[in-house]
Amino acid sequence: ETGVTQSPTHLIKTRGQQVTLRCSSQSGHNTVSWYQQALGQGPQFIFQYYREEENGRGNFPPRFSGLQFPNYSSELNVNALELDDSALYLCASSLGARELFFGEGSRLTVL
Amino acid sequence: DAKTTQPTSMDCAEGRAANLPCNHSTISGNEYVYWYRQIHSQGPQYIIHGLKNNETNEMASLIITEDRKSSTLILPHATLRDTAVYYCIVSGAGGTSYGKLTFGQGTILTVHP
Repeated sequence: ETGVTQSPTHLIKTRGQQVTLRCSSQSGHNTVSWYQQALGQGPQFIFQYYREEENGRGNFPPRFSGLQFPNYSSELNVNALELDDSALYLCASSLGARELFFGEGSRLTVL
Repeated sequence: DAKTTQPTSMDCAEGRAANLPCNHSTISGNEYVYWYRQIHSQGPQYIIHGLKNNETNEMASLIITEDRKSSTLILPHATLRDTAVYYCIVSGAGGTSYGKLTFGQGTILTVHP
């Protein structure tokens, strides 16, 4: 149990739709990172938020966007969903330390 | 970040030590070695990290070679609950780079009764 909670745990969308995934970081953690994990692959870094500002981005198109709120919780938004966006989306929080605390993920299926 | 190479899979008997190798020959001087594991259907779990000295915590030991080009994660007494995918990751030390990890395919460790 890491104290990082994600919602929803599972969801199904159709191609072209938009989705919002939410992450509540561990208490006091000011940094949130988002990862995408396709089936059978390792997690891939999407972006990171530090004190409400984007602080680094992986190789993902602009239709992947995010927000971090004053309480350090975060959202991942994906527009114009494609079939290849089907994956487990992981959120991880940290507080200036090397250890990341991951949530259990949100599994997105795009039909 | 430096690239890592790990065996695709390994087996270990319950109660024995599991030694998971990782090659990172292009590691630079300020990059750390991290190990995470992912049990089926769960998020990754931090295990240990190190720079150049060997490290030990309640979960595992990390042995880094003197030239830092390879490392070994040791689970001293593997249990069935240690069956998971183990990721070796090399990442920079600066600022908030801690959260920007490059995961490879990892090693699937299966612990047998």
